[in-house]
Amino acid sequence: GAVVSQHPSWVICKSGTSVKIECRSLDFQATTMFWYRQFPKQSLMLMATSNEGSKATYEQGVEKDKFLINHASLTLSTLTVTSAHPEDSSFYICSARDSLVTDNEQFFGPGTRLTVL
Amino acid sequence: AQSVSQHNHHVILSEAASLELGCNYSYGGTVNLFWYVQYPGQHLQLLLKYFSGDPLVKGIKGFEAEFIKSKFSFNLRKPSVQWSDTAEYFCAVTTKAAGNKLTFGGGTRVLVKP
Repeated sequence: GAVVSQHPSWVICKSGTSVKIECRSLDFQATTMFWYRQFPKQSLMLMATSNEGSKATYEQGVEKDKFLINHASLTLSTLTVTSAHPEDSSFYICSARDSLVTDNEQFFGPGTRLTVL
Repeated sequence: AQSVSQHNHHVILSEAASLELGCNYSYGGTVNLFWYVQYPGQHLQLLLKYFSGDPLVKGIKGFEAEFIKSKFSFNLRKPSVQWSDTAEYFCAVTTKAAGNKLTFGGGTRVLVKP
């Protein structure tokens, strides 16, 4: 099956620093990738849709200058949390859709746990 | 806008009991429906999906779900659960109108007692 990886799996950083999270589709090409945020004991909330070669589309209420998304290739999207603060601590999950398949299934990465001190 | 609601936040049952998790969505047009499972400490995995055709969908690990269009429902069932089914279960929907973005329900945490 299609595999999506994320790196790092967990990160601890100081308040005010920036953190980059990578999302890779390992065995398929993904024109579209998605970034979600999951708070403890809550559901996944879509943050943004990442489109290869163009700007990401952010959901309402998500600050695009704080959560920078780059989708420079068909297998890699990155999410950079800029000037991170404790309230940004969360579980960040990416997913990817296979460009060659017409259905809407998304394949999920294992997630990245971010803790901001 | 589409939305998904899962009626039960927590379910506790014993091994061999039957499981049914409710899922309702609000959207009047064509939908694609999904059930995902998240085992403790693991990533989301697809259990089953419905796009069209037979409304009774069979998935992995003995799960099935039935799409009832008139009730806007897509309930998940398993006739006999095992301790290893302890996990969180998420119902999700995509629609063309929303750009095929996944909208998740709040999740149901299932605990199966051995």
